[in-house]
Amino acid sequence: EAQVTQNPRYLITVTGKKLTVTCSQNMNHEYMSWYRQDPGLGLRQIYYSMNVEVTDKGDVPEGYKVSRKEKRNFPLILESPSPNQTSLYFCASSSMGAGGGGYTFGSGTRLTVV
Amino acid sequence: GESVGLHLPTLSVQEGDNSIINCAYSNSASDYFIWYKQESGKGPQFIIDIRSNMDKRQGQRVTVLLNKTVKHLSLQIAATQPGDSAVYFCAENIEGYSTLTFGKGTMLLVSP
Repeated sequence: EAQVTQNPRYLITVTGKKLTVTCSQNMNHEYMSWYRQDPGLGLRQIYYSMNVEVTDKGDVPEGYKVSRKEKRNFPLILESPSPNQTSLYFCASSSMGAGGGGYTFGSGTRLTVV
Repeated sequence: GESVGLHLPTLSVQEGDNSIINCAYSNSASDYFIWYKQESGKGPQFIIDIRSNMDKRQGQRVTVLLNKTVKHLSLQIAATQPGDSAVYFCAENIEGYSTLTFGKGTMLLVSP
């Protein structure tokens, strides 16, 4: 089944403790992206990647890092999480960049930083 | 956790009615538009898309209308069903740019 898989689905952590949210897609998509979703603010892009070893900042990159060492994986790294990073996170992938075919989204990771 | 549906405009309809969800997009240079559906606890799901060289596109029970003059997009759902209850987002893109910009969303509630 074609899908984007995120892990974990739920995570509670403490301020300052480094964490990684994994994302993997099995569709051989070049384009991958991370979004956060907050009530009243909608979906905001954190980082995106056009292909292996090519990443770029989205609208809200502060406090996040990403890497794209392999085509299928695009992990999101929070080096020192803070409470304002409590949010619902989505990974997405696409075969044609943002301009065609739409994204396939993962099921989301709900992160709480206390 | 707090639901993504909070703070959203809400459209309430009866089962069997037709629903129209509206979206005003921001960038006159945008030339590709997508509607997504997000059910509770799930990621957004692609519904239908339209390019700026079209005014209308139809799918199964859904129609998207694009009015570039007033930068307005609408999603029409025919014979709305309880399973259509979800948050609906429009998204816009400029060809050649990587980012989809999402609207805030509208919650659709369908009563049996």
